[in-house]
Amino acid sequence: EIVLTQSPGILSLSPGEGATLSCRASQTVTNSYLAWYQQKPGQAPRLLIYGASSRATGIPDSFSGGGSGTDFTLTISRLEPEDFAVYYCQQYGTSMWTFGQGTKVEIK
Amino acid sequence: QLQLQESGPGLVKPSETLSLTCTVSGGSISSSYYYWGWIRQPPGKGLESIGSIYYSGSTSYNPSLESRVSISVDTSKNQFSLRLTSVTAADTAVYYCANTWYYKVTWGQGTLVTVSS
Repeated sequence: EIVLTQSPGILSLSPGEGATLSCRASQTVTNSYLAWYQQKPGQAPRLLIYGASSRATGIPDSFSGGGSGTDFTLTISRLEPEDFAVYYCQQYGTSMWTFGQGTKVEIK
Repeated sequence: QLQLQESGPGLVKPSETLSLTCTVSGGSISSSYYYWGWIRQPPGKGLESIGSIYYSGSTSYNPSLESRVSISVDTSKNQFSLRLTSVTAADTAVYYCANTWYYKVTWGQGTLVTVSS
């Protein structure tokens, strides 16, 4: 089972600032089959990025994903008020999908 | 475009079996290289993968649930299902069905299942 470790656990930032979230895998993620999700309280996770760097439908270009192998990042170029939420990474390169524990982006 | 919809009881008694179905539209459940799976999220906690079934029929389960879980496909109804036996309050969660196909990922909206007498 691939273990995903997200860092930091909490990111305190102000609107307008940029954010970089990390997701590190315990072994290589096959074909960079890695996704990022945003979740707000009471809502289902929203797919942001798939295949490590492809934006999902309707996702603004302020969100970008990168990385390969075992190290992946989600970058938010400029935080809008609606971007404060919890973010999860998921690998689906094996039949046993796994998730990171989440990074909470909170207003400073 | 693929769409998934979960259905099933919202309340299950302790020690009984939780059964959920995911109905697939916009594509065939038999299509090659599709993975169909289940994910859950207990209240206030993170996301946990329950398991998946490949288009070939092979299954993979979370080791922590393996003794109680099974996932199956009904091609005639274009559905796949989850069975989780001997449930306890710890199995209370929002349950999501999901699909992956190469790089693509699709989720259902989720359904809350509460385990309580």
